[in-house]
This record gives sequence, structure tokens and C-alpha cells, in this order.
Amino acid sequence: EVQLVQSGADEKKAGQSLKISCKGSGYIFSKYWIGWVRQLPGKGLEWMGIIYPDDSQTKYSPSFQGQATMSVDKSISTAYLQWNSLKASDTAMYYCARVIGFFHLSSVGFDSWGQGTLVTVSS
Amino acid sequence: QAVLTQPSSLSASPGASASLTCTLRSGINVGTYTIYWYQQKPGSPPQYLLRYKSDSDKQQDSGVPSRFSGSKDASANAGILLISGLQFEDEADYYCMIWHSSAVTFGGGTKLTVL
Repeated sequence: EVQLVQSGADEKKAGQSLKISCKGSGYIFSKYWIGWVRQLPGKGLEWMGIIYPDDSQTKYSPSFQGQATMSVDKSISTAYLQWNSLKASDTAMYYCARVIGFFHLSSVGFDSWGQGTLVTVSS
Repeated sequence: QAVLTQPSSLSASPGASASLTCTLRSGINVGTYTIYWYQQKPGSPPQYLLRYKSDSDKQQDSGVPSRFSGSKDASANAGILLISGLQFEDEADYYCMIWHSSAVTFGGGTKLTVL
């Protein structure tokens, strides 16, 4: 069974750094892209970017480029999302999800999702 | 104009059918894309329901009831998630998604109320 388990909720102050994690199991972690999705309180889903664990190739949404950084440690089947200087506006639920499909066929989606990590940033 | 547009809300009665639309922006041909659909209930992560490109290229996630199905309306340039035999447990937010211009794009979501 494919599972993505995310790190627990975290509370920080504006300006602090944070790194959240997403550990995959039940499949060959290095061979599937992992995506990150933000959900502001009471709002819809926003795509942040995707990372390929085998070679750490990344594709960022233009809206999130430079705002947060994706990384991966394939030796422990774990993807990360980190901020160097959090803002109050980063307060949100963050999900990781496994990518399926084929980019060249315009058929890309997420089939398994982590449980989410709630990040709360106070000013 | 957003790439994907979904009605913000929809209400339907138990036992009825609900047709949730996901309209692609003018100039983006729905026939080219595979549309992915997700269900999200309060306090839970999104769950993958199905993907639909055509009747010969579609897939339902395991465990998703056959009451959920996908289709397209080419004349409206839209993807459709049809839920038949509505149950109270189908009350949730529903999101569509495509891969367009080397990016994931989500629709704004439709809140389905079953009453």
C-alpha cells in the first residue's frame, strides 16, 4: 500500500526557518515525482512544485519560486519542503502527494496524498 | 481568466445525480487534456477519485464507487464529474486538475451539498 506520512504540525514566528517532511513507503520512492500543495485556511488547492527523488530535479510553480525550497533524501525515502524566513501569510496546510501520469501526454495527476502538515506562523 | 473554472457550489438531493463541471479557458482544448478529479472532506486531505481523457483512456482509483464517473463536453470545453445516486457521504469539496504549460493547475473547487 502506497503511503505518504508527513511531519506533525508546527508553530513558528515570522522570520524563523522551518523544514517539513514527507516519507514515502509501499512503492519505489525514487521513481515517482513528489508534489507539494498548499491550502490556505478555508481556501482551495494551490500547486507549489514537484521534485523527482532519483535526481532531485525540480519544477516550481512561478507563484512559489523563491518562496520555499523542495529537497529530497532518497536514501530514506523522504521529501522536504523548507522555508528560510517564514511569513504570517505562509500559515496554511501543506500536502505532499505522489505524481502519476506522463508529462508529454498532458496527463499528470496525484494519486496518493499525505495527511497534511499544518504550519502556523505568528507575526 | 483562470485556466480551470468550477462553480463554487452545487446542491442536490439524496438519490439524485450531480454533474460537476470544470471549464477550460478559451483557447485550451479540453480534448487534449486528462482531467483528474479529487474529493476533499473537512479536516481530511484530498482523495483521488478518477482521471478522464476519453472513454478509451480513463481510470477510476481503487475503492471509488462506480457512482462516480468522468466525461467531457467538447461543446462547452469542459470536463464533467458525474455522481449518480447521491448519498449524504458525498457531501464534500471537489477539485479538478490538469497539467498545462508545464504546471499543475487546480480548479477553484465546487462545494457539493447533499440535502
